[in-house]
Amino acid sequence: DQQVKQNSPSLSVQEGRISILNCDYTNSMFDYFLWYKKYPAEGPTFLISISSIKDKNEDGRFTVFLNKSAKHLSLHIVPSQPGDSAVYFCAARGGLNAGGTSYGKLTFGQGTILTVHP
Amino acid sequence: KAGVTQTPRYLIKTRGQQVTLSCSPISGHRSVSWYQQTPGQGLQFLFEYFSETQRNKGNFPGRFSGRQFSNSRSEMNVSTLELGDSALYLCASSLIPDQETQYFGPGTRLLVL
Repeated sequence: DQQVKQNSPSLSVQEGRISILNCDYTNSMFDYFLWYKKYPAEGPTFLISISSIKDKNEDGRFTVFLNKSAKHLSLHIVPSQPGDSAVYFCAARGGLNAGGTSYGKLTFGQGTILTVHP
Repeated sequence: KAGVTQTPRYLIKTRGQQVTLSCSPISGHRSVSWYQQTPGQGLQFLFEYFSETQRNKGNFPGRFSGRQFSNSRSEMNVSTLELGDSALYLCASSLIPDQETQYFGPGTRLLVL
C-alpha cells in the first residue's frame, strides 16, 4: 500500500526553466510534508517542508504547494540549475497510533530523478 | 556541528550471516530512525528510537532489530541475511520525536551474496 506516490520516475529540464515535481498521497492523517534531495552515495538532504495548515511555502528558488483536497503536493524549482540534478523524494508524516501519539516516522515516495541540462 | 555518521559505509556479507550497523546522531539529537532504501521499494521505515526505547516499527520481519544507547547512538542488527536484504541503510536523527525535520547520514551500503 503506497501511501505516498511520485508517479514520474524521471524529469528532464533545461537550465533556467522551471522544474515541477509532483507527489500524491492517500492518508488524510498526514499533517506535515517534506521534500528531500539525494545525490548518489549520500543520504537524503532536507530541502523544504510544509505544514497541512498552509498551502504554500517558499525558500529561495524552491516553493512547495499543498492541495489538501486533492491530496497533492508539488515542488517548484525556479530557475533550475545543473547542480539541482538529483533524486527528489517527497515524504509525509502524521497520523495517530493506537496510543494516541503522533507517528514520528516519515513515509516516502519512490523518488523522481531530476536532470537539468546546461 | 558534525552530521549524522554511519559505520561502516560499505559491507559485504553472505546469506545466513548477521550484520550490525551503527549510527551516531547529530550532537544533542535524541531521536534516531532507520530506513532501508532499495531500487524497487524506495525508502522504507524500519524503526525509531528515543530515550533508548523503540517508539515505532515498520513492516519488517523480526530478523531486523535495533537498539539505542544512553548516548543516543543506535545500532541495527539483521540476522540470517537474505539476498533481498541488500540495500542502502539510512539513519536519520532529530532533536526529539515527531520533529518536522530529520537529518540523514550517508548510509551503509550492504551487499548480501
